[in-house]
Amino acid sequence: DVKVTQSSRYLVKRTGEKVFLECVQDMDHENMFWYRQDPGLGLRLIYFSYDVKMKEKGDIPEGYSVSREKKERFSLILESASTNQTSMYLCASSFVGFRNQPQHFGDGTRLSIL
Amino acid sequence: DAKTTQPNSMESNEEEPVHLPCNHSTISGTDYIHWYRQLPSQGPEYVIHGLTSNVNNRMASLAIAEDRKSSTLILHRATLRDAAVYYCILRDVDDKIIFGKGTRLHILP
Repeated sequence: DVKVTQSSRYLVKRTGEKVFLECVQDMDHENMFWYRQDPGLGLRLIYFSYDVKMKEKGDIPEGYSVSREKKERFSLILESASTNQTSMYLCASSFVGFRNQPQHFGDGTRLSIL
Repeated sequence: DAKTTQPNSMESNEEEPVHLPCNHSTISGTDYIHWYRQLPSQGPEYVIHGLTSNVNNRMASLAIAEDRKSSTLILHRATLRDAAVYYCILRDVDDKIIFGKGTRLHILP
């Protein structure tokens, strides 16, 4: 089975801190994604990557950056955390092939910014 | 991106079939229809997808209308573990998935 592992289930940080969320997949997927999920807003795409060192902005990239130095690892960075970035963060991966390739998700990191 | 419309919530009795509807009247000829579900405290989980023909797998069946403007996810025999939010999604040339608000399915014992 595909496994997408997020480094922390729960994380508490302070306003202004630099925060790193890590995601690793074990299925040699080309694509990796970062979403955030908020009550009433559903899942929203922050960034995605279709290859090592490649990245594309999603719908809400402001305040975030990403890094993909190795195929299996995709990091989300909050440069200077703010309270409105308190959320559930979900990582996903898939093979390239858009329309008919499912995305596989991790169990999420619940991040609280105090 | 083409949009989907789903009921906010549904209820079903345990061990009975469940039919979850999805409308996608602006679907294009190349859009695949995907379904995901999200159980409490977990990430979304892929359920099934199709293009034109009905599809079956170990989790569910997907019935697609002839004009493709709607589809139905069928859980043949609901269990309490099927209580989740179910998302109907259209996927086109882009690798992004746009998640709507989904249908919250409640299973009554």
